[in-house]
Amino acid sequence: EVQLVESGGGLVQPGGSLKLSCAASGFTFSGSGIHWVRQASGKGLEWVGRIRSKANSHATAYVASVKGRFTISRDDSKNTAYLQMNSLKTEDTAVYYCARHGTDQKGFDYWGQGTLVTVSS
Amino acid sequence: YDLTQPPSVSVSPGQTARITCSGDALPKYYTYWYQQRPGQAPVLVIFKDSQRPSGIPERFSGSSSGTTVTLTISGVQTEDEADYYCQSADSSGTWFFGGGTKLTVL
Repeated sequence: EVQLVESGGGLVQPGGSLKLSCAASGFTFSGSGIHWVRQASGKGLEWVGRIRSKANSHATAYVASVKGRFTISRDDSKNTAYLQMNSLKTEDTAVYYCARHGTDQKGFDYWGQGTLVTVSS
Repeated sequence: YDLTQPPSVSVSPGQTARITCSGDALPKYYTYWYQQRPGQAPVLVIFKDSQRPSGIPERFSGSSSGTTVTLTISGVQTEDEADYYCQSADSSGTWFFGGGTKLTVL
């Protein structure tokens, strides 16, 4: 069974940092791309960024609003992806989901349950 | 680029719900649809414009015409009440979501 489990959320002050983890199981993690998607309370989904598989050079891409502040990485030996968030702003407050990029352009076929990040003083 | 969805759609049980998503780039790239029930993570219901993942009921279907794609739910059931999001990507691998449509089953 494919599972994605996010952790690391919490309360952080503006300007602070937080690192989220996405632990995967039930599939060949090293062969899959991983996305991060966030959702502010009562708002829609916003794609944050992605990291491709080793075969695709672990290439990353980000939405403009987080470029230079957020970094996505992965450790295939631990079946885990990470979202390092620096210089956090109040507008980064959201539930953060990780999702698997399905093979053969099948979209984001599995999602974690999400972890809440609150940026507030 | 922008993907535009109606904020809300309302139907009675057993009727057909159609949720549209418009965007200039949609003819070039595949569209995906996600269902999100309150308090839950999104679930993929349509991929590559019109294909249905395993486990998704046949009443869910997708179609495209020019710059508009449509998610159709035939014979709507009360359990289909949820937010629905369209999604697409551009050539650089950047992904976009529509603003979401709240489906109310009256």
